Amino acid sequence: EAQVTQNPRYLITVTGKKLTVTCSQNMNHEYMSWYRQDPGLGLRQIYYSMNVEVTDKGDVPEGYKVSRKEKRNFPLILESPSPNQTSLYFCASARLAGSTDTQYFGPGTRLTVL
Amino acid sequence: QKEVEQDPGPLSVPEGAIVSLNCTYSNSAFQYFMWYRQYSRKGPELLMYTYSSGNKEDGRFTAQVDKSSKYISLFIRDSQPSDSATYLCAIKRTGGGNKLTFGTGTQLKVEL
Repeated sequence: EAQVTQNPRYLITVTGKKLTVTCSQNMNHEYMSWYRQDPGLGLRQIYYSMNVEVTDKGDVPEGYKVSRKEKRNFPLILESPSPNQTSLYFCASARLAGSTDTQYFGPGTRLTVL
Repeated sequence: QKEVEQDPGPLSVPEGAIVSLNCTYSNSAFQYFMWYRQYSRKGPELLMYTYSSGNKEDGRFTAQVDKSSKYISLFIRDSQPSDSATYLCAIKRTGGGNKLTFGTGTQLKVEL
């Protein structure tokens, strides 16, 4: 089944404790992206990747890191999480980075930083 | 001013009603228009995609785009309880790669 998977689905952590949220897609998609979803703010892009080893900042990149060493994986790293990073996170992928390609979303990771 | 504005609702309608969901946008560079549906505790899934002014129909769903007014709509005919979800409009600009700009979403509940 074609899908985007994320792990973990739920995570409660404490301020400053480094964490990684994994994202994997099995569709051989070139484009991958991370979003966070907050009430009243909608979905906002954190980082995106056009292909292996090519990443760039989205609208809200502060406090996050990403890497794209393999085509299928795009982990999101929080080096020193803070409470304002409590949010619902979604990974998405698309076949190509062009305007007409649709994005497929993972199931989400709900992160709470205490 | 947000680039995409969407009424958050919640919107509650009886089963069988026609539902109208709307977004406005501010930048005429936006040329590709999408509607995503998001069920509770799930990721958004693409419902409709259009890039031209006018109507596009898919079953009970019709997407409408008016570029002159910078206004997009999603109509749901014969609404069902299974349509209860949050509906997100998303827009892409020409030459913007795959960057999506989302509305905040409208929460819809269809009641029996």
